[in-house]
Amino acid sequence: GDSVTQMEGPVTLSEEAFLTINCTYTATGYPSLFWYVQYPGEGLQLLLKATKADDKGSNKGFEATYRKETTSFHLEKGSVQVSDSAVYFCALNTGANSKLTFGKGITLSVRP
Amino acid sequence: DTGVSQDPRHKITKRGQNVTFRCDPISEHNRLYWYRQTLGQGPEFLTYFQNEAQLEKSRLLSNRFSAERPKGSFSTLEIQRTEQGDSAMYLCASSLQGAGNTIYFGEGSWLTVV
Repeated sequence: GDSVTQMEGPVTLSEEAFLTINCTYTATGYPSLFWYVQYPGEGLQLLLKATKADDKGSNKGFEATYRKETTSFHLEKGSVQVSDSAVYFCALNTGANSKLTFGKGITLSVRP
Repeated sequence: DTGVSQDPRHKITKRGQNVTFRCDPISEHNRLYWYRQTLGQGPEFLTYFQNEAQLEKSRLLSNRFSAERPKGSFSTLEIQRTEQGDSAMYLCASSLQGAGNTIYFGEGSWLTVV
């Protein structure tokens, strides 16, 4: 079945540091790929998405490129801020029902 | 623009009691999803509706759980005879029909069974 694997966390960075969060997937067919963010005490918010190979999703300085050859969708940001502290989930969907399959999530803490 | 709203946001209940959560999706969205999230884990799919029809249920959805969407608008998720293992955040989400369409989540309903 479909699955998403995220790197183990948590991750702690200093403000303005470079961020990479790894995500790889296994899926039948051609999935769409997503990054969702969850701030403390809140629900999930869509951060970015890509629907086909080589697409790059971007939002709020975050980027991720859909790499079919490595089945990856790594999240990057050039300069993190304290306000980026949150839990980040990689997810995919395939098929007509658009049901999302999530990774376990990774907690990012950014120090001033 | 109102997003997905859920009620109540928090619920503490005694083991064995029944609880019901309500979800109001984004108004033009015909798909509605329920997920469960426990601490340190990603959300897990429970069930989804297209309009009023419940089209898929996860095996996580035991016979104590029932979801409805009677008029294709709001939905309810009822848990009967709650157990401590039901403690989790229950997330509702909605989307338009179509592969790759964005699924928008509500803020979740926290359930604590004591």
